[in-house]
Amino acid sequence: GNSVTQMEGPVTLSEEAFLTINCTYTATGYPSLFWYVQYPGEGLQLLLKATKADDKGSNKGFEATYRKETTSFHLEKGSVQVSDSAVYFCALSDRSGNTPLVFGKGTRLSVIA
Amino acid sequence: DAGVIQSPRHEVTEMGQEVTLRCKPISGHNSLFWYRQTMMRGLELLIYFNNNVPIDDSGMPEDRFSAKMPNASFSTLKIQPSEPRDSAVYFCASSPLTGTEAFFGQGTRLTVV
Repeated sequence: GNSVTQMEGPVTLSEEAFLTINCTYTATGYPSLFWYVQYPGEGLQLLLKATKADDKGSNKGFEATYRKETTSFHLEKGSVQVSDSAVYFCALSDRSGNTPLVFGKGTRLSVIA
Repeated sequence: DAGVIQSPRHEVTEMGQEVTLRCKPISGHNSLFWYRQTMMRGLELLIYFNNNVPIDDSGMPEDRFSAKMPNASFSTLKIQPSEPRDSAVYFCASSPLTGTEAFFGQGTRLTVV
């Protein structure tokens, strides 16, 4: 079946550090890929997405590139801020229209000033 | 649109009591999902509906849990009787179609004492 594997957290970084959160997936066909972010006390919200190979999703300084050859969708940001502290979830959709999004377990990021 | 609306935001109840959580999805969305989030288990899909019809309830932990969607603009998740281990944050989400981007509500934090 379809699955998503994220790097284990928590991740603690100093402000302005470079961020990478690894995400790999297993899926049949060509899934759509997503990153969601959950700020403390809130629901998940879509951060960015990519729907085909080599697409780059970007938002709020975050980027992720859909790599079909390595089945990966790693999240990156060049300079993190304290306000980026949150839990980040990688997810995929098989686009069949029949199954819900499959989420990774989430990676908690803490950014310290 | 106001997004997915859940109520109440917080619920504290005594063990053995009935609890009803409510959700209003985004207008025009055909799929609705109920999730549970705990520190131990992470984010779990409990049940989802397409066009108001329950499609997969295999994630519902026990018969004490039930969910309904009487119309396209309202769903409930009921726990009867509640137990302390049901304490968690319950999220409702909706999407235009199953497998497309999901929009989450703010969640209901349930505490069973």
